[in-house]
Amino acid sequence: GQNIDQPTEMTATEGAIVQINCTYQTSGFNGLFWYQQHAGEAPTFLSYNVLDGLEEKGRFSSFLSRSKGYSYLLLKELQMKDSASYLCAAMDSNYQLIWGAGTKLIIKP
Amino acid sequence: DTAVSQTPKYLVTQMGNDKSIKCEQNLGHDTMYWYKQDSKKFLKIMFSYNNKELIINETVPNRFSPKSPDKAHLNLHINSLELGDSAVYFCASSLPSNEQFFGPGTRLTVL
Repeated sequence: GQNIDQPTEMTATEGAIVQINCTYQTSGFNGLFWYQQHAGEAPTFLSYNVLDGLEEKGRFSSFLSRSKGYSYLLLKELQMKDSASYLCAAMDSNYQLIWGAGTKLIIKP
Repeated sequence: DTAVSQTPKYLVTQMGNDKSIKCEQNLGHDTMYWYKQDSKKFLKIMFSYNNKELIINETVPNRFSPKSPDKAHLNLHINSLELGDSAVYFCASSLPSNEQFFGPGTRLTVL
């Protein structure tokens, strides 16, 4: 079956770096998405990886290894506003998104 | 300008009632979606429409029915509401195989 695994919750300190891991199993693969969702708000798109390697976008970077079915989201210079849930989603061969349950990131001063 | 809009933002109703949630996107996207997010925050796909054709229909009860009058709108009708339907419902849209843009969500509470 199709499955996405990511940690339920993580805690980090303001100014630090945190890595949120995601493993996926899908029928075919057409890319891996990361979304951010603040409490009470809609998910917003952060990144998309379809080739192996690291994509950097300011303080956020996303990495993909297709052979390992693995991705991570790296957040640098953490700010209090980064407290949110981070959703990993893999696109299968039918271009449908398979969503993870999300990782709640708590930032402490 | 709002890209994906939903109305209403909050909906409180009694068990057994029928209700609708509207969704509109002005992005020119071909595909629109409805998601349910329950208290555990898991995002579950319910329906998606591509050029007014239903392309997936995850095993949701037939009390839920999507209606798409045109490419920019995808409304969700719910009949005979049950307590377990209480959740946040998100509409989203995208170009094929691209990132999805979400509406602000509709918080449905069934009493």
